[in-house]
Amino acid sequence: AQTVTQSQPEMSVQEAETVTLSCTYDTSESDYYLFWYKQPPSRQMILVIRQEAYKQQNATENRFSVNFQKAAKSFSLKISDSQLGDAAMYFCAYRSMLTFGGGTRLMVKP
Amino acid sequence: EPEVTQTPSHQVTQMGQEVILRCVPISNHLYFYWYRQILGQKVEFLVSFYNNEISEKSEIFDDQFSVERPDGSNFTLKIRSTKLEDSAMYFCASSESILGYEQYFGPGTRLTVT
Repeated sequence: AQTVTQSQPEMSVQEAETVTLSCTYDTSESDYYLFWYKQPPSRQMILVIRQEAYKQQNATENRFSVNFQKAAKSFSLKISDSQLGDAAMYFCAYRSMLTFGGGTRLMVKP
Repeated sequence: EPEVTQTPSHQVTQMGQEVILRCVPISNHLYFYWYRQILGQKVEFLVSFYNNEISEKSEIFDDQFSVERPDGSNFTLKIRSTKLEDSAMYFCASSESILGYEQYFGPGTRLTVT
């Protein structure tokens, strides 16, 4: 079974600064997908970024980028130029049936 | 932009009652999912559905739960005899394919069992 761990239940960042959210996972598979989902107060889950395990290049989506370390089974999310609208719960997820981590609450200080 | 919709947004029911949560997935998607999020806890996978049958289910998805695609658009989750611990947000999701494709989530239904 796959497990996903987010060791930071809460993080805080100053507006316009950069923050990194950590995620580690455990799997015996070699091909898989990893995702970061954002859950704002409205509770709807929104995909932020996706990484295919067979790709060495780290995925980027505008201000969001990942640091994917396959050997270490680590998948961190970097948010650059943090905005107030980034405040939310962030969930790291693995593969297709989406095994979720426990979540990290990001607070953005104005 | 197409989106997944869910009704109702909030359902209150008494323990032991049956509830049906409804979802309308994105029209060209073939895979459908239900997830549950108990307040303050992580999102948990319940079941996936493809080609009119369950393709995978978790340990949470016991005999009290069932899913159905009664017509070409709706995807429902039925809880036969609700328990207090069934109180949670229930999210429906759909995707074009099973592996690696983005799952689009609905806004969720908050189920409160009293």
